[in-house]
Amino acid sequence: DGGITQSPKYLFRKEGQNVTLSCEQNLNHDAMYWYRQDPGQGLRLIYYSQIVNDFQKGDIAEGYSVSREKKESFPLTVTSAQKNPTAFYLCASSISANTGNTIYFGEGSWLTVV
Amino acid sequence: DAKTTQPNSMESNEEEPVHLPCNHSTISGTDYIHWYRQLPSQGPEYVIHGLTSNVNNRMASLAIAEDRKSSTLILHRATLRDAAVYYCILRDVSNSGYALNFGKGTSLLVTP
Repeated sequence: DGGITQSPKYLFRKEGQNVTLSCEQNLNHDAMYWYRQDPGQGLRLIYYSQIVNDFQKGDIAEGYSVSREKKESFPLTVTSAQKNPTAFYLCASSISANTGNTIYFGEGSWLTVV
Repeated sequence: DAKTTQPNSMESNEEEPVHLPCNHSTISGTDYIHWYRQLPSQGPEYVIHGLTSNVNNRMASLAIAEDRKSSTLILHRATLRDAAVYYCILRDVSNSGYALNFGKGTSLLVTP
């Protein structure tokens, strides 16, 4: 089935550690996105990529890093510089960054700092 | 940035129509109006989108005001599975490129 796969679904991180969240899509989409959602809040954009080997910072990029070496993959690394990383992380993609295109979301990854 | 304003919560009875309002008074001429919904602990799901004309699909209808400063998502017959947070979003191409900017949305409660 075509779609977006995020892994792991649940992840625990010790303070001071970097962790990487995986996002893979087989929809042949050019654009990919990472969002963060805190309990009871809306989504906030971390990073987005309009094409391979290109990505741009969103509203809350500090403490995060991404790469886009392949069209189908857009991993997110939560670094130790992110002071409050416990949240629900959502990866998404769209055919292109055109404003009329639908954005498709993965099922999300829960990250908890212990 | 073009922003949207939605009620925090709404309630509906099962099998009755639901009208979810959204105000976007600063919308620009090229902004599309998108609606998504999200169930607990899941990723958001696309519902519908439009630019100027009213739109219908199998999930819902979107009514857009003539001046485009407001829109309404219409669920024709609410079911218990429609209970979710509904987000009204404008595609913002200024500070965040072409990504969607989500607010808190409207939490829809559907009662039997």
